[in-house]
Order: sequence, then C-alpha cells, then structure tokens
Amino acid sequence: NAGVTQTPKFRILKIGQSMTLQCTQDMNHNYMYWYRQDPGMGLKLIYYSVGAGITDKGEVPNGYNVSRSTTEDFPLRLELAAPSQTSVYFCASSPGTSGSEQYFGPGTRLTVT
Amino acid sequence: AQTVTQSQPEMSVQEAETVTLSCTYDTSENNYYLFWYKQPPSRQMILVIRQEAYKQQNATENRFSVNFQKAAKSFSLKISDSQLGDTAMYFCAFMKLYTGNQFYFGTGTSLTVIP
Repeated sequence: NAGVTQTPKFRILKIGQSMTLQCTQDMNHNYMYWYRQDPGMGLKLIYYSVGAGITDKGEVPNGYNVSRSTTEDFPLRLELAAPSQTSVYFCASSPGTSGSEQYFGPGTRLTVT
Repeated sequence: AQTVTQSQPEMSVQEAETVTLSCTYDTSENNYYLFWYKQPPSRQMILVIRQEAYKQQNATENRFSVNFQKAAKSFSLKISDSQLGDTAMYFCAFMKLYTGNQFYFGTGTSLTVIP
C-alpha cells in the first residue's frame, strides 16, 4: 500500500547547491509527474513522463532536469539551486488512461537560502 | 493554454450546512476532464470528484456533487452536510487529454467548517 513515495520530506539547500528529489511508485503506472506548489498557489507542472525513457517539459521546467530509466522511479534534479525554487514539490503517477486520476506523493518541502 | 480560476480564496461554512465552491476555466479543447482535489493540512492531495466534458449528467460522490456548465466553462463543487473533516484547501483542475494528460490547477479555495 505504499503508492507514491517521495524522499526527503524536508530539505534546506544553500544557493548554488544541487540535489535530487526522489520519487517512486509501486502501482505500475506509466505516467509520472512533478509539480511545485508555491504558497497560496495551485500546483504547476514541471516535467512529466509517459513511460520509461520518455520525458517532456511542463509549464515551469527551467532550473530542473528529470530522467525515467524505470517505470517505478522518476527523480527530479535541481542544479544550482536558487531562492525562487523554494517550494513544496509533489510527485504524482497515473495509469495514463483518459480521465484517470493522478495519485500524489506526500510532498517535499524545499527551502533555498 | 488552459487557465483555471478559483475566485474564492477563503470560505467558511457551519457544520451540517451546504457550501458551493466556484471554478471557471478557459480552453479551446472540446473533450477534457475536470477534477476537484482536496488538500487537508497533512498536505496530501486527495481526489474528491471528476467530470468528463462529454457527459451531460453532473457527477456525484456521496455528499459531493458538481454543477458543470460546459458552455459557460464553469465547474462548481457543492458539499452537502459539511463535516469538520472537510476543512481543507480545494483545488479545481483541468485535464488536457493526450500530451501526457496534463493537469492545470486553480489557485485553490481554503474551506473552514465551523463547529
């Protein structure tokens, strides 16, 4: 019953540092997503993947990179962290059929100072 | 591009009463899905209800129902018999089919149920 798991739950980064947010799902979903949620705002799509080896940009991809080498894992890489990347990051997965809901992980709160 | 607007940043309702949350959207797509998600203080995103644009009938899930007006591009959520556990942020989302079934979220409505 794990669903979508994300690590870490919290992280503080210094400006210019890099890190990888991990996301794993055990539902054999083809589609996976990364969102960011800024205070008082809705979620905005950073990147998504429709299967292993296939990724594409969402609304706000600048400053991030992703890879999808397996169905289960979809890590998000932040290079040269900036204060503007302070946010809560959510990973989600979906079977990919029309109208299917997205299942969300618990989120990672990232602060860049 | 798709945009989703939730014009009520905060709302409150007395326990056991009914409340309606508003959502409008803008799109040139003809077929799509609309969703309401709930985000309690735990931060976990939870599906409340979904509606396919091609279906005339409004979706219902227990105490939750929607009023979907396709021509007006409006998708409101009605919560009946409000309970304390309904206190949460509510997000309206538009799903664009194909291209990864991307979601576009509104900015959310913070709902407080008052005992």
